[in-house]
Amino acid sequence: AQSVTQPDIHITVSEGASLELRCNYSYGATPYLFWYVQSPGQGLQLLLKYFSGDTLVQGIKGFEAEFKRSQSSFNLRKPSVHWSDAAEYFCAVGSGNTPLVFGKGTRLSVIA
Amino acid sequence: GAGVSQSPSNKVTEKGKDVELRCDPISGHTALYWYRQSLGQGLEFLIYFQGNSAPDKSGLPSDRFSAERTGGSVSTLTIQRTQQEDSAVYLCASSPGLAGVRGYFGPGTRLTVL
Repeated sequence: AQSVTQPDIHITVSEGASLELRCNYSYGATPYLFWYVQSPGQGLQLLLKYFSGDTLVQGIKGFEAEFKRSQSSFNLRKPSVHWSDAAEYFCAVGSGNTPLVFGKGTRLSVIA
Repeated sequence: GAGVSQSPSNKVTEKGKDVELRCDPISGHTALYWYRQSLGQGLEFLIYFQGNSAPDKSGLPSDRFSAERTGGSVSTLTIQRTQQEDSAVYLCASSPGLAGVRGYFGPGTRLTVL
């Protein structure tokens, strides 16, 4: 069965600290992997995506993610968090044009 | 418009009433997806349209839910005899139909069933 697990429901980090959001997936085919961010009252914005090639992908807003096939993981990282990064983050998996399977999200809080 | 639009942005209805939610995809996008986001949950796939192909309805939770896409553009999601558990944010997304190209979500319709 296709599934995405985001183990952390809520994470709190200090502004300026590094961040890693975890994502594990189960998918039968070669996956396309995505990270989205949803700010309060906003729609989903694509941060980055992985299709093939270099397993370290760079995204917008200073985010990056690393695909590790052996661990079925696609963790999102940022070296220095800003207060404006407080939001809900969703990991998703799909292939071709198939509908995406989403994780339940990780809520990020940023404290001064 | 430049992005995916949805209307209404908010809808409050009484249990048992029917509702229609509208999605205007980006012009030229052949693929259109409906998802539902319930409180504390991730996004749940509902239905997927791709060009002129028969839609993938495998995510619809019950026969009270239906959707159509007219002229390969605008889509309407209809929920008949609404129940309180239908309360959620309904999100629409479109894509140009190129494998793996995603990212175009609308702002959503927040449905509240009293």
